[in-house]
Amino acid sequence: SAVISQKPSRDICQRGTSLTIQCQVDSQVTMMFWYRQQPGQSLTLIATANQGSEATYESGFVIDKFPISRPNLTFSTLTVSNMSPEDSSIYLCSALPYQTVSSYNEQFFGPGTRLTVL
Amino acid sequence: DAKTTQPPSMDCAEGRAANLPCNHSTISGNEYVYWYRQIHSQGPQYIIHGLKNNETNEMASLIITEDRKSSTLILPHATLRDTAVYYCIVRVYSGAGSYQLTFGKGTKLSVIP
Repeated sequence: SAVISQKPSRDICQRGTSLTIQCQVDSQVTMMFWYRQQPGQSLTLIATANQGSEATYESGFVIDKFPISRPNLTFSTLTVSNMSPEDSSIYLCSALPYQTVSSYNEQFFGPGTRLTVL
Repeated sequence: DAKTTQPPSMDCAEGRAANLPCNHSTISGNEYVYWYRQIHSQGPQYIIHGLKNNETNEMASLIITEDRKSSTLILPHATLRDTAVYYCIVRVYSGAGSYQLTFGKGTKLSVIP
């Protein structure tokens, strides 16, 4: 299993500023992901954070707006740049542990970061 | 990944079984059915998954129809703590495309005292 923590848990930011969200996993994982959950909506995948290379972004998300780092196998950051009120969402980090013979591809999620942009 | 259809909401009396349906009529032969749930203000939590056989674990049972076009998640004795949004997801098990989870709108289950 994997326990995921995120910092900050919530923040209120001004329009035009940037916020970096940190994601820490308590064990090495193969893949890490960032999701967005807008108010009252389901989760949408932003990107896959690749260790040692550039993140892979889903349609509608770009690196300039959501730069992602993954310096090692347990840590990743997501930056929300030049924020507007439309960026107010919950941002969730997710991780996929290394597969074992008895594993079943379970993905673990962090508690989320609740961002409000004024 | 195949799309899924779930009822937007359901109620269940505390202590009774909660049966949550999911339609996935376009599921491919190599796609599994996964269930996750999201309790308010938390990240999603894995519940169970299956291919074609019925599965059971300490949390729930998963019943998949023989043609695999639909499934039902069963919480045998629902408690107030089971109040959450339940997501049915189908995806391949391994290899390319197996890692991303595509979340639909899910079913909001309310367990009533």
